[in-house]
Amino acid sequence: ETGVTQTPRHLVMGMTNKKSLKCEQHLGHNAMYWYKQSAKKPLELMFVYNFKEQTENNSVPSRFSPECPNSSHLFLHLHTLQPEDSALYLCASSQGRGGATEAFFGQGTRLTVV
Amino acid sequence: GQQLNQSPQSMFIQEGEDVSMNCTSSSIFNTWLWYKQEPGEGPVLLIALYKAGELTSNGRLTAQFGITRKDSFLNISASIPSDVGIYFCAGSDNFGNEKLTFGTGTRLTIIP
Repeated sequence: ETGVTQTPRHLVMGMTNKKSLKCEQHLGHNAMYWYKQSAKKPLELMFVYNFKEQTENNSVPSRFSPECPNSSHLFLHLHTLQPEDSALYLCASSQGRGGATEAFFGQGTRLTVV
Repeated sequence: GQQLNQSPQSMFIQEGEDVSMNCTSSSIFNTWLWYKQEPGEGPVLLIALYKAGELTSNGRLTAQFGITRKDSFLNISASIPSDVGIYFCAGSDNFGNEKLTFGTGTRLTIIP
């Protein structure tokens, strides 16, 4: 399998549930990202990891908790979300600090909070 | 913070027509990227630009890095039905900087 893979593709969860989104990249990259895409808004950067170290947290509420156990895997743990958190969550990867800037995206997880 | 204004927001064109869209920034960028997103999918990288004035083609797509470093253009020639989607520009102010700023997108619809 190649590229950036996200699972699940669709997720419906209640506000009291705990769920996790998974991202895996097979590009040999060292940087991984979580973006949120809502209707009629630009992509919003949430978190950045470089060489497994979190280098950016874009004022994301604590109900979103990222985890990067290695350069190939990235998780987003979700807890007590709100309906306004419903969106497409996109994972991406790039070469990382000092490398090319091009980010490659997964297909996204469509999250609905009910 | 940095802002990217992308225009037009939407386009309705007939098959075979040429398409032009652009992005302008409030500050200088050193990298410009153009992505296409289809329904239910993530954005796919189309073209990357790294030098002011650079003109790069990818098939029927041509993108330019503006001389001022504050703008970029994407042209699609002889549009076909599979060109339908949302086109996003993205910029970075430093080579190797992992933070990309994205435009709001141009939604392209092709009228049969």
